[in-house]
Amino acid sequence: DIQMTQSPSSLSASVGDRVTITCRASQSISSYLNWYQQKPGKAPKLLIYAASSLQSGVPSRFSGSGSGTDFTLTISGLQREDFATYYCQQSYSTPRTFGQGTKVEIK
Amino acid sequence: QVQLVASGGGLIRPGGSLRVSCAVSGFTFSDYYMSWIRQAPGKGLEWISYISNTGNTTYYADSVKGRFTFSRDNAKNSLHLQMNSLRAEDTAVYYCAREINYYGGGSYEAFDIWGQGTMVTVSS
Repeated sequence: DIQMTQSPSSLSASVGDRVTITCRASQSISSYLNWYQQKPGKAPKLLIYAASSLQSGVPSRFSGSGSGTDFTLTISGLQREDFATYYCQQSYSTPRTFGQGTKVEIK
Repeated sequence: QVQLVASGGGLIRPGGSLRVSCAVSGFTFSDYYMSWIRQAPGKGLEWISYISNTGNTTYYADSVKGRFTFSRDNAKNSLHLQMNSLRAEDTAVYYCAREINYYGGGSYEAFDIWGQGTMVTVSS
């Protein structure tokens, strides 16, 4: 199984900050990497697919980059509604696997 | 609109069985692979199973293989997860999710639509 490791596990940031979350795969997954946002008590929401493609309806302040084993989710200009937990997920092979999550909290 | 509605969760004793379901609407259900993904309280996301669009192919995570069975009824736009020999570690919110394919230099899959989840608690 492919292991996905996110860093950091949590971070504190202020409204307007630029935030970067990284995700590393245990083997090369090309660009088969997705990012999700989850708010407490809610289902996850797809933000980014294929490493860098923005899902329809997602604000352009979210962006993704990377390929191979190292990936990044960037939020440019953090908004109050962005405080949530973010997960990466690989779709290169089955079983699909998720990172452990990164919680973005208000500073 | 596009909607997945999960149901059937509850409190069950260790070793017991439970069936959770997911009602689908708003899209051509028979065109899509579907998955179950669970989340233990305070923990991350764990994918546990998928089923092909026809229902002919299923795949299970090792953690549930041999105990859980995923099925679908394309005529009724519904999914079912039969869970047997339940353990305390199966306690989680169970989400059904649609897997979509994005084509562009490859076929990229992602879970684009999720149900609201149904809570399964395994405890004596």
